[in-house]
Amino acid sequence: EVQLVQSGAEVKKPGESLKISCQGSGYSFTSYWIGWVRQMPGKGLEWMGIIYPSDSDSRYSPSFQGQVTISADKSISTAYLQWSSLKASDTAMYYCARYQVGAPFHYWGQGTLVTVSS
Amino acid sequence: AIQLTQSPSSLSASVGDRVTVTCRASQGISIALAWYQQKPGQAPKLLIYDASTLESGVPSRFSGSGSGTDFTLTISSLQPEDFATYYCQQFHGYPLTFGGGTKVVIK
Repeated sequence: EVQLVQSGAEVKKPGESLKISCQGSGYSFTSYWIGWVRQMPGKGLEWMGIIYPSDSDSRYSPSFQGQVTISADKSISTAYLQWSSLKASDTAMYYCARYQVGAPFHYWGQGTLVTVSS
Repeated sequence: AIQLTQSPSSLSASVGDRVTVTCRASQGISIALAWYQQKPGQAPKLLIYDASTLESGVPSRFSGSGSGTDFTLTISSLQPEDFATYYCQQFHGYPLTFGGGTKVVIK
């Protein structure tokens, strides 16, 4: 069974750094991309970017390029989404999802809620 | 970037109603379109991909159609568990994009 398990909710202050994770299981982790999707409170879905864990090739949405870093550690089947300096506007639910070129997101993680508040 | 415009942004309907949601792409995307359902507090769930292919396990009352720039999601007979928000997504090119969502509420 394909599963994507995300790390738990985080509460941070503006300016702090953060790295959240998404661990895949039940499939060959290096054969599929992992994507990240943001959902701000009460708002829609926004595609942030994707990474191919086999070689760490990545693509970013222009809206998120330079704002976040997507990485992966294939040895532990885990992808990451990282911020170096959080802002209040980063408060959102973040989902990871499995992606294959030319296909939709068939499998999703349960989401990680990030709250940034002073 | 390819923009997806969904309409309506919300609709009210009764159990048993036929419901139609549309998604228009700013440029042609062939059939590289998916529909997702999201309920409060849950991750999105894939319903339809390649514009009209039903994801495994999804009830047959859901259907999709269209190609190029105009797409439709239809629920033939709305059930209580279908009250949710629906999103279209294109996977024709980067950046991948989502429509703004359509919230289906109980009339």
